[in-house]
Amino acid sequence: QQQVKQSPQSLIVQKGGISIINCAYENTAFDYFPWYQQFPGKGPALLIAIRPDVSEKKEGRFTISFNKSAKQFSLHIMDSQPGDSATYFCAAKGVWDYKLSFGAGTTVTVRA
Amino acid sequence: NAGVMQNPRHLVRRRGQEARLRCSPMKGHSHVYWYRQLPEEGLKFMVYLQKENIIDESGMPKERFSAEFPKEGPSILRIQQVVRGDSAAYFCASSPTSEKLFFGSGTQLSVL
Repeated sequence: QQQVKQSPQSLIVQKGGISIINCAYENTAFDYFPWYQQFPGKGPALLIAIRPDVSEKKEGRFTISFNKSAKQFSLHIMDSQPGDSATYFCAAKGVWDYKLSFGAGTTVTVRA
Repeated sequence: NAGVMQNPRHLVRRRGQEARLRCSPMKGHSHVYWYRQLPEEGLKFMVYLQKENIIDESGMPKERFSAEFPKEGPSILRIQQVVRGDSAAYFCASSPTSEKLFFGSGTQLSVL
């Protein structure tokens, strides 16, 4: 069963707009929540990550918002650019674990 | 420092043949993971290895699939007697710590 549920499956946004991807989890032992970006024909690459002790982390145009009580976290891409068009995966890992559990992915298309 | 190297990039096999996928981790990384990716299903964990040891193979089918990470040389994912359902992209990732994963570009396996 999918330990991390991701939505939407795909989204289209205009250049300069905001892309928002949401993920939810059940396992309260998860303590590491990364986001990966994947371009066609390439492997996923780490974009940004957060731990539950903070509610938000920002790196450039990418921001993770984390809601521990709701067991949800989201990725916001501000001022979206055509070069951001890719598939984004959320993931989670527990302190007792050594493998990442991935969401199903969101394909983001940024129209110029 | 070269990234994670996977070969071949594309592999075509007929049903019943064997597929061998190779992965050379980044220098200094002792943790190796194999993931399988199917369209709209995200990345599914298969196996986690350290040098000469299989740590967790809970995501790998018990039959026909095996993995190794010898003391010298690349990690190998072997699929015996391939079937059409094995067609997928297989990604290898390495890590120095079991947290931040660095992915290769994957091997696309097609079974005819």
